[in-house]
Amino acid sequence: KQEVTQIPAALSVPEGENLVLNCSFTDSAIYNLQWFRQDPGKGLTSLLLIQSSQREQTSGRLNASLDKSSGRSTLYIAASQPGDSATYLCAVRVSGAGSYQLTFGKGTKLSVIP
Amino acid sequence: DAGVTQSPTHLIKTRGQQVTLRCSPKSGHDTVSWYQQALGQGPQFIFQYYEEEERQRGNFPDRFSGHQFPNYSSELNVNALLLGDSALYLCASSLAQNYGYTFGSGTRLTVV
Repeated sequence: KQEVTQIPAALSVPEGENLVLNCSFTDSAIYNLQWFRQDPGKGLTSLLLIQSSQREQTSGRLNASLDKSSGRSTLYIAASQPGDSATYLCAVRVSGAGSYQLTFGKGTKLSVIP
Repeated sequence: DAGVTQSPTHLIKTRGQQVTLRCSPKSGHDTVSWYQQALGQGPQFIFQYYEEEERQRGNFPDRFSGHQFPNYSSELNVNALLLGDSALYLCASSLAQNYGYTFGSGTRLTVV
């Protein structure tokens, strides 16, 4: 059974800092990994999707890396802004026939202090 | 281009009642998945519909059922509501196996 862990559970940083969020998963046989952002009481906004054959993806100030063999992914946020404050969720899709579900971590709650 | 649309946004039901939640997928998407998110937790997979058939189901009781219509929209039905069913219910759509999932804003269900 795939399990996803996100560390830390919460993080508070001053504006302008670069930061790294961590995600680990127990089963390395994944199809892809997706990072999401969730604002309080809202739905999920997709940030980056990394296929199993890829090592990283970049979008603006965000960069996500994937190391399948060690079961880890990191989300790097450069020059953080107060608007980045949200909960960040990591989700993996296990590879294999008939496997379509995403397994999520509990998220990292980020607060960027002006 | 409209994203995933869910209705209603909020709902309050009494224990024992039945509820139906609705989802319209992103334009061009043909697959719909449903997730339950309790407060402070990550979303949990309920089931996925493709070609009007349930093709994968998570660890949820039979009180949770669904349907997909020919226009790819979907419904989630929950019978005999329990207090523990109070959660944010999220719908996600996708197109092909290589693409990620697009989520809606969710329906907040409160069972009293």
